Amino acid sequence: EPEVTQTPSHQVTQMGQEVILRCVPISNHLYFYWYRQILGQKVEFLVSFYNNEISEKSEIFDDQFSVERPDGSNFTLKIRSTKLEDSAMYFCASSGSWDLAGGKTQYFGPGTRLLVL
Amino acid sequence: AQTVTQSQPEMSVQEAETVTLSCTYDTSESDYYLFWYKQPPSRQMILVIRQEAYKQQNATENRFSVNFQKAAKSFSLKISDSQLGDAAMYFCAYRSLAQKLVFGQGTRLTINP
Repeated sequence: EPEVTQTPSHQVTQMGQEVILRCVPISNHLYFYWYRQILGQKVEFLVSFYNNEISEKSEIFDDQFSVERPDGSNFTLKIRSTKLEDSAMYFCASSGSWDLAGGKTQYFGPGTRLLVL
Repeated sequence: AQTVTQSQPEMSVQEAETVTLSCTYDTSESDYYLFWYKQPPSRQMILVIRQEAYKQQNATENRFSVNFQKAAKSFSLKISDSQLGDAAMYFCAYRSLAQKLVFGQGTRLTINP
């Protein structure tokens, strides 16, 4: 069964450093998302991406964040200058064409646990 | 803005018994989707069940079923014949045509052997 994959599974970085979190969505999916979950809290939407551009972003997704689909398979989240409060689990998700029965469902990757020191 | 509320931070159930997790949401939209996701200790988000708002019939997936009350904006999850592997955080989530998911705070389910 196809699945969303994410690398790395864990990342430790120093405050102020740049990090890039990588995701490989399910191959025929068209919509891509990043969410984050601070430990003990609920999952929060960061950004959605479709047709090579951001379709929606939350207030959390400020100028320190960017997303990119550098090739036909990867979808990345970059944090330019990490802060302590960026420590969280970051989930990538993807969904298919709206016309398909499963298109409304977002499938999540296993997450990247980011720790900023 | 849409909101999702899970009023039970923790629930426990005896193995093989049935448990119901509550979820309410607030929206002014008429067309949307509701989901339950399971998050085990590994913290991966696993889809449990999906409900389209335009469907009156409650969704079922094996031991998992929902009670969808559109007028009351309620979407509860029933787990029958609870198993030890069902122990996890359960998140209720709302998705409008705007695509993003809005999650509730989660309910931690413990299964007692």
